[in-house]
Amino acid sequence: ETGVTQTPRHLVMGMTNKKSLKCEQHLGHNAMYWYKQSAKKPLELMFVYNFKEQTENNSVPSRFSPECPNSSHLFLHLHTLQPEDSALYLCASSQMSSDPYNEQFFGPGTRLTVL
Amino acid sequence: LAKTTQPISMDSYEGQEVNITCSHNNIATNDYITWYQQFPSQGPRFIIQGYKTKVTNEVASLFIPADRKSSTLSLPRVSLSDTAVYYCLVGDYVDSSYKLIFGSGTRLLVRP
Repeated sequence: ETGVTQTPRHLVMGMTNKKSLKCEQHLGHNAMYWYKQSAKKPLELMFVYNFKEQTENNSVPSRFSPECPNSSHLFLHLHTLQPEDSALYLCASSQMSSDPYNEQFFGPGTRLTVL
Repeated sequence: LAKTTQPISMDSYEGQEVNITCSHNNIATNDYITWYQQFPSQGPRFIIQGYKTKVTNEVASLFIPADRKSSTLSLPRVSLSDTAVYYCLVGDYVDSSYKLIFGSGTRLLVRP
């Protein structure tokens, strides 16, 4: 148990569906992250939020829309996804995104399958 | 952004010491070296971080030579539960964020 929870753990959706992934951290951190991990590829950083403000968008397609209502919650809204978007989506948090001693605590991930 | 190179896979036996070396030839002055561990279908977990010389914690040791162009993660007396993927990361500042760059990692298999 890392203090970062993600729901749902598994999600199957069609290309026309709209769904949301939820992440919650109970560590009092100020930075939150979304990563994508595809089969046989390295983790890819998607978005960074620091004190609820988005500080980084790694050229992610607009069909992925993040939302950070407060420092403890992070959402990833999904719409009109493609089969190649199937992957493990990981949420992480850290004290601050600008800190080099930036130990990130990861959630268990959501395994997404797009049909 | 600095990149890392590490072996794709390693095999070991229970009770042995495992050393995983990572090269980061273009590491910048303000970069730290961080190692994470990842089990299947789980998020990565922080193991250890260092800037230079040697760092030790209850899980592992990290050796960094003076030129900092490589680093070695040392796992003493591994057990079956240490079978995982180990990532060597070198971060860098991008705008206001310290960004971690994950590579492909080293898949460690510990045999009985």
